[in-house]
Amino acid sequence: LAKTTQPISMDSYEGQEVNITCSHNNIATNDYITWYQQFPSQGPRFIIQGYKTKVTNEVASLFIPADRKSSTLSLPRVSLSDTAVYYCLEMSTNAGKSTFGDGTTLTVKP
Amino acid sequence: NAGVTQTPKFQVLKTGQSMTLQCAQDMNHEYMSWYRQDPGMGLRLIHYSVGAGITDQGEVPNGYNVSRSTTEDFPLRLLSAAPSQTSVYFCASSPGPGRYEQYFGPGTRLTVT
Repeated sequence: LAKTTQPISMDSYEGQEVNITCSHNNIATNDYITWYQQFPSQGPRFIIQGYKTKVTNEVASLFIPADRKSSTLSLPRVSLSDTAVYYCLEMSTNAGKSTFGDGTTLTVKP
Repeated sequence: NAGVTQTPKFQVLKTGQSMTLQCAQDMNHEYMSWYRQDPGMGLRLIHYSVGAGITDQGEVPNGYNVSRSTTEDFPLRLLSAAPSQTSVYFCASSPGPGRYEQYFGPGTRLTVT
């Protein structure tokens, strides 16, 4: 099971755009990239998924370059409530298994 | 829809005891998984299932058994609890092929003394 690599922590201020990068150098051809958000004492919550190029939904954007060895989660105009741990993981299309990395703890300051 | 439900929310076991953590989903999802999360760490996959009657091992399967007799239920059994199994256990489900978002339950906090 391939594991991704992310920065351990990041700080930001309210209203700023935050970009969190993830490395997945050995991603399999059929794997997708998904991102999750986790608050203390809660299960992770799905944010966004992608295979290549850019995907945008109502809460975030995900950019995956052509070589697919990395991805970047972009959170526009963060607020204090975005303080959480963010996980990037590869999701296999051929099974229901996935591997979480260690996550990035994002702290948003006023 | 209740989503993914887990019982119990908290459990204390003595070393050597066995127990079953329950997980159910009412979304008709094909895939279900069990993870454990130790303090300050990411989630590690214990076992997963791609459909009723089909299960497979994840990253840390030792000491745990699973079965999937129905689409809705995916219980996790601890065979002989050890202090190293003290953790928070999360169950998740996802729709199936072509859909990769997972929906997580609220977790079961297990302490083994």
